[in-house]
Amino acid sequence: GQNIDQPTEMTATEGAIVQINCTYQTSGFNGLFWYQQHAGEAPTFLSYNVLDGLEEKGRFSSFLSRSKGYSYLLLKELQMKDSASYLCAVVTGANNLFFGTGTRLTVIP
Amino acid sequence: DSGVTQTPKHLITATGQRVTLRCSPRSGDLSVYWYQQSLDQGLQFLIQYYNGEERAKGNILERFSAQQFPDLHSELNLSSLELGDSALYFCASSLGTGGSYEQYFGPGTRLTVT
Repeated sequence: GQNIDQPTEMTATEGAIVQINCTYQTSGFNGLFWYQQHAGEAPTFLSYNVLDGLEEKGRFSSFLSRSKGYSYLLLKELQMKDSASYLCAVVTGANNLFFGTGTRLTVIP
Repeated sequence: DSGVTQTPKHLITATGQRVTLRCSPRSGDLSVYWYQQSLDQGLQFLIQYYNGEERAKGNILERFSAQQFPDLHSELNLSSLELGDSALYFCASSLGTGGSYEQYFGPGTRLTVT
C-alpha cells in the first residue's frame, strides 16, 4: 500500500521560515513533488526531487532523503499569500502520482 | 492560468443521476489525468489517458468511466450518483506519460449531489 504523512496544520509568522515535513512509504519510488493549493483552487507545481539533497528555487527549497523516506519543503521570508495547503506527492513504482492529504499553512501578521 | 480548461465549473445534481465532466489539456500535452478531492481528503488519482489510450487506473469506481478523444480532450462520466460523490474533480495534463512529468491542473469542477 501507499502512505504519506504530513502534519495537518501549521501556523507561522510573516517574514519567518517554516519547514513542512513529509514521510512516505510507497510501492517503489520515482520522485517526489510538492504542490501548493489555495482553497478551492487548482494545485500548482512547486518542486520535484528525484535525487537526495536540497533543491533551491527562490524562497522555496525542497529536500529529499530516499533512504529515510523523507522530504521537507522550506519556505523562507513568509508572506501572507503563502497561506495555502502544501501537498506532498510521490511518484510510485507504477509511475502514478500518490498525494498526501496536505498541510494547511496559515501565515499570521 | 495553467492552460488546462474544465467545464462546467459547478454542477448540482440529484442522487441516481449521471453527469459528464469535460477537460481540455494544455496545447501539446498528450496525457490527461483525473483526480477527485473530497472535503478534508487528499487528491485521489482516478485514471490516466495518454494519446487516447488508458494508461493507468487508480481508485476509480465502476460507476465512473472516462475516455480521451482524438483531439485529446477527455471526459469523465459519473453515473448512479451518490451523496458521497460530491467533491472537486480536477483534470491535469502533462507532456509525457511518466510520473516524473510535471502535471498542470485545471481549475476543477465542483460537483454537488443532493
